[in-house]
Amino acid sequence: KAGVTQTPRYLIKTRGQQVTLSCSPISGHRSVSWYQQTPGQGLQFLFEYFSETQRNKGNFPGRFSGRQFSNSRSEMNVSTLELGDSALYLCASSLSLAGGGNTQYFGPGTRLTVL
Amino acid sequence: KNQVEQSPQSLIILEGKNCTLQCNYTVSPFSNLRWYKQDTGRGPVSLTIMTFSENTKSNGRYTATLDADTKQSSLHITASQLSDSASYICVVSGRDSNYQLIWGAGTKLIIKP
Repeated sequence: KAGVTQTPRYLIKTRGQQVTLSCSPISGHRSVSWYQQTPGQGLQFLFEYFSETQRNKGNFPGRFSGRQFSNSRSEMNVSTLELGDSALYLCASSLSLAGGGNTQYFGPGTRLTVL
Repeated sequence: KNQVEQSPQSLIILEGKNCTLQCNYTVSPFSNLRWYKQDTGRGPVSLTIMTFSENTKSNGRYTATLDADTKQSSLHITASQLSDSASYICVVSGRDSNYQLIWGAGTKLIIKP
């Protein structure tokens, strides 16, 4: 069974631009969560989608948004990029809501650099 | 406020030695607690998931314990190997309507030969 895939793996953008990251979950998984990890820091939760609905949201500004499609694939968008948005963005999938005892499987991440 | 605190922040031990990492939480009502291992630059990998009725769970050389009364958990690593060098993260789920996960900051473990 294929794991969680994220595209692109690396991305370089300049301040003020916007970016869209993509995540394909493991087949049959209906929940996708997104996290931001800056160098030397822990994972910061962005949001979780289940059955195309945002079920949980972290404390990030409205520049960070996401969506989930009917095939469970998810995208996250960051508008008006700032230098501080440079980070590793991780996506994780699970059968149902991650916190309900379901194992999360993480993708390799997208490393975003904002210049 | 729901919080998860881990200690120590970092730990260095010699290969072959045992170690124990600690996790205290204030999440209530509690649903489950999990431990993840994260290698540098990679996504976390789940080690164990425990509900309130489970007080110990093993995964190879990793053994997690849970005391739901004192809201404490520990992860014990036996006979450490160089490949155990990683960050270990404790994550707690609250039993609210959406089971949001509360992430600890992690313990960075370094195994020296």
